Amino acid sequence: GAVVSQHPSRVICKSGTSVKIECRSLDFQATTMFWYRQFPKQSLMLMATSNEGSKATYEQGVEKDKFLINHASLTLSTLTVTSAHPEDSSFYICSARGAGGDGYTFGSGTRLTVV
Amino acid sequence: AQSVSQHNHHVILSEAASLELGCNYSYGGTVNLFWYVQYPGQHLQLLLKYFSGDPLVKGIKGFEAEFIKSKFSFNLRKPSVQWSDTAEYFCAVNEGENSNSGYALNFGKGTSLLVTP
Repeated sequence: GAVVSQHPSRVICKSGTSVKIECRSLDFQATTMFWYRQFPKQSLMLMATSNEGSKATYEQGVEKDKFLINHASLTLSTLTVTSAHPEDSSFYICSARGAGGDGYTFGSGTRLTVV
Repeated sequence: AQSVSQHNHHVILSEAASLELGCNYSYGGTVNLFWYVQYPGQHLQLLLKYFSGDPLVKGIKGFEAEFIKSKFSFNLRKPSVQWSDTAEYFCAVNEGENSNSGYALNFGKGTSLLVTP
């Protein structure tokens, strides 16, 4: 079945630095990538939607200059958390959808801790 | 505003007990409905989904869900749970006339299920 590989699974970074999270679709072309954020005991909150080759569409309240999303190819999308602060600590999950498909394939998530 | 509500945040059951997890949604139009499971340390996996047709949907691992349009509900059920069903369960909804709607999923807060031997 469809697989999305998300890396890293865990990352600890210092406040003020940037962190890049990658999601790769391994056996299908991800025309659309969704990026979610999950706080402990909370739901997955949609941050942004990106279509290959286009600028990402961000949800209200999500800073596009802070959370940079790149979807330059059909198999790779990245989320860069710039100038990270402790409040950015969270679990980030990507979800990919292929053209004409009816499924959403999720990455295994990235636990970001900013110290 | 559109929303998805899962009423049970934590459920503890003994093995062989029956399970029902509630999910209600608030959407104005046609919806597609999903249940996902997240085992500890693993990614979200699809249990079942409803787009149209028979409102009683059967999924993997013995799970089923019933779409009741008049109640805006999509409750998840399993007649007899196993210890291996211990996981987090998420109800999700998106808008669309069919499976190709392409809209992002809107998730409920999740229900943590613990099945004891």
